[in-house]
Parts: sequence; C-alpha cells; structure tokens
Amino acid sequence: AQKVTQAQTEISVVEKEDVTLDCVYETRDTTYYLFWYKQPPSGELVFLIRRNSFDEQNEISGRYSWNFQKSTSSFNFTITASQVVDSAVYFCALSGLIIQGAQKLVFGQGTRLTINP
Amino acid sequence: EPEVTQTPSHQVTQMGQEVILRCVPISNHLYFYWYRQILGQKVEFLVSFYNNEISEKSEIFDDQFSVERPDGSNFTLKIRSTKLEDSAMYFCASSTSGSGTGELFFGEGSRLTVL
Repeated sequence: AQKVTQAQTEISVVEKEDVTLDCVYETRDTTYYLFWYKQPPSGELVFLIRRNSFDEQNEISGRYSWNFQKSTSSFNFTITASQVVDSAVYFCALSGLIIQGAQKLVFGQGTRLTINP
Repeated sequence: EPEVTQTPSHQVTQMGQEVILRCVPISNHLYFYWYRQILGQKVEFLVSFYNNEISEKSEIFDDQFSVERPDGSNFTLKIRSTKLEDSAMYFCASSTSGSGTGELFFGEGSRLTVL
C-alpha cells in the first residue's frame, strides 16, 4: 500500500523566513512519482512539481526547491524568503507507475502554511 | 493556458437528492478523474476514467456514485442519493498520460453541501 505522511499540520513563520515542509512516503513500487500541490484559500489545487523515482537530483524553481532522498523516502519542499502569498495548504502526493491504466494520486494530510507580515 | 472547468462551484442539496457535478477536461487529455476532499482533510481518489470506462475506483466510490462522459467533452459525477457524509469539495482532473508521466490538471472544485 502507498502512504504519504506530512507530519507538520501547521506552520507559521514571519515573512522572509525560509521554511521547509516535510514529506515522507511509503511504497513498494520501484517506479513511482512524487508531487507537490498548493491549495490557496480559494480552494483550487495548483501543481508545483512532479519528480520520478529515478531522478534524485534536487530541483530549484525561483524561491522553491525540492530535496528528494530515496534513502529516507522523503521529498521535502523549501520556500526561501517566504512571502504572504505563499500562505496556503501544501499537499505532497505519490503515484505509482500503472501500465495501461490511470494514475492514482495518494495525498498526504497537507501542511497549512501561514506567512505573517 | 488550457484548464479544467467545473460546474457548479457550490451546490447545496437535501439528503437523498441526486446530484450531478460537471467537468470539462482539457481537450486533448485522455484520462479523467474525480477526487474528493472533505473539509479540512486530505484529497482522496475516487475514480479514474479512460477510453469510456472506469479504469480504477476507490472504496469510497460505491454504487451511489457513477461517472459518465456523455458527449465527448463533459465528464460528470453523479451521486444518486446524497448522504450527509458526501459533503465535500469534489475535484475533477485530467491528464494526457495514465502512466504517471503526465501532470494531473485539477479543476477549481465543486463544493457540495448536503443538508
């Protein structure tokens, strides 16, 4: 069975601080995909990143960076120089490789991030 | 930028009533999904749909639920007889690939409130 754990339920920081959101996953698949989604107060799910299990290279996109470590089954997300607009619920998700089928994302419980001015 | 659109954005219904939630996936996508998020909880997979049939469904997706792609553009989720616990945000999603290599594009969600 696949499982995603986001142990941090809520995080509150002051603007311009760096913040890291933790994600730990469980899967027996050798090929899998990891995702991060942002859910702002308006409710929609905004795709941030997809990473496959064979690519452990860290990724940086502007103020966002992701650290994928297979050895610890973690896929952590860091926001540097946080801004108020970063306030949202962030979900980590996992999908296995499904041949001739559709991908099913298993989501973590989410981390509510509040950036205070 | 192409997007997944959902209607209605919010629906209030009485317990026992039938509800249809509508979605227009991105036009060249082949895989379609419904996910559900009960308020304050995580997003949960309901069902996936490919080639005009259900490819996978979760335990949540019981006989009260059905999906349909009636006209090649719309993708609907029907709940036959709503229960209080069906109150949630329902997200439609679509993707070009089912193998995990395609990004899932989510709609803005339809909030269902069952009274």
